[in-house]
Amino acid sequence: DVKVTQSSRYLVKRTGEKVFLECVQDMDHENMFWYRQDPGLGLRLIYFSYDVKMKEKGDIPEGYSVSREKKERFSLILESASTNQTSMYLCASSSGEGYGYTFGSGTRLTVV
Amino acid sequence: AQSVTQPDIHITVSEGASLELRCNYSYGATPYLFWYVQSPGQGLQLLLKYFSGDTLVQGIKGFEAEFKRSQSSFNLRKPSVHWSDAAEYFCAVGTISGGYNKLIFGAGTRLAVHP
Repeated sequence: DVKVTQSSRYLVKRTGEKVFLECVQDMDHENMFWYRQDPGLGLRLIYFSYDVKMKEKGDIPEGYSVSREKKERFSLILESASTNQTSMYLCASSSGEGYGYTFGSGTRLTVV
Repeated sequence: AQSVTQPDIHITVSEGASLELRCNYSYGATPYLFWYVQSPGQGLQLLLKYFSGDTLVQGIKGFEAEFKRSQSSFNLRKPSVHWSDAAEYFCAVGTISGGYNKLIFGAGTRLAVHP
């Protein structure tokens, strides 16, 4: 089974801090994604990547950046955390069109 | 624009009763369709997917879904619900946007199961 591992289940950070959320997959998938999940809004795509060192903006990229230096790792960066970035963050990977995504367990981030 | 609508935010059923969760999509081409389930505090798990062929798709945990092109729907069903099915369910459509493949998710339906 494909595993997608998110390094932290829970994080509490202060406003203005730089925050790194890490995601690693072990099945050599080309495609990786970061979503945030908020009640009543479902999952919203922040950024995605289809190759090493490649990134594309999703629907809500403001306030975020990403890094993909190795195929298996996709990092989400909050440059200066704000309270409206308190959310559940989900990482996913896939091998291509039509195959669906495999999700990590999520990181619940609280910004105080 | 592509979109997915799950009309029911919350559904409550009794254990042993049948279940149908609704999903409608908007997409110009033949869609790839998915249902995911999320247990509390967990990531999303794929229940089933539709690419082409037989419009009735079987998934894990006894779930099935039927693709109806004329109604732009992909409803999820289970004949007899178990207490462990209490979770949030997300419908998604695979799209091509800007040359990239992406999933668009509905807002989710939260299922409660009464004993």
